[in-house]
Amino acid sequence: TQLLEQSPQFLSIQEGENLTVYCNSSSVFSSLQWYRQEPGEGPVLLVTVVTGGEVKKLKRLTFQFGDARKDSSLHITAAQPGDTGLYLCAGLRRMEYGNKLVFGAGTILRVKS
Amino acid sequence: DAGVIQSPRHEVTEMGQEVTLRCKPISGHDYLFWYRQTMMRGLELLIYFNNNVPIDDSGMPEDRFSAKMPNASFSTLKIQPSEPRDSAVYFCASSLWGGLTDTQYFGPGTRLTVL
Repeated sequence: TQLLEQSPQFLSIQEGENLTVYCNSSSVFSSLQWYRQEPGEGPVLLVTVVTGGEVKKLKRLTFQFGDARKDSSLHITAAQPGDTGLYLCAGLRRMEYGNKLVFGAGTILRVKS
Repeated sequence: DAGVIQSPRHEVTEMGQEVTLRCKPISGHDYLFWYRQTMMRGLELLIYFNNNVPIDDSGMPEDRFSAKMPNASFSTLKIQPSEPRDSAVYFCASSLWGGLTDTQYFGPGTRLTVL
């Protein structure tokens, strides 16, 4: 059972369309991160959100952290082929001896030109 | 900085053989993480170190897996003996201070295939 549920699992859209990816959990996280991973490479951090209700923008990407810090969304406006990749959300849990990232299963995005 | 360096990039071995994966973290980073990524289970944390000391190894699947960090610039993940179900991409990541807003920098991964 995934602690963080991402939806949808796959998304194939045309260039210029908008899309939203969701990351949901029944657990509260200290912070939440979004990563993007391309084939043959490791994940690369896009953003970290910490405060409930926080909204961050990164060019055409908008990230939101839920008020209760249990869920998050990633919205992409006017998607481009360069946005193609695997998008991963990861929640940070405070443990006794340090912090630990728990990853969702990911959303595979394909943007067709 | 060259980023996190992992070797080898690809490893193909036969069941029962010993496999050693290597990682060089970013200089100055205090935390080092080993992850495994599969289609079925996604990205899972195996173990992480703080200042070369293992902090949490609860993600290590079984005794066949072991990890060491003899110094601040080198870590290994060893599987002995390897099994086909160990086939996955193994990532090493490092971070500066492990705080709420800290960034983990991932290496390019080692794709392991156990026949």
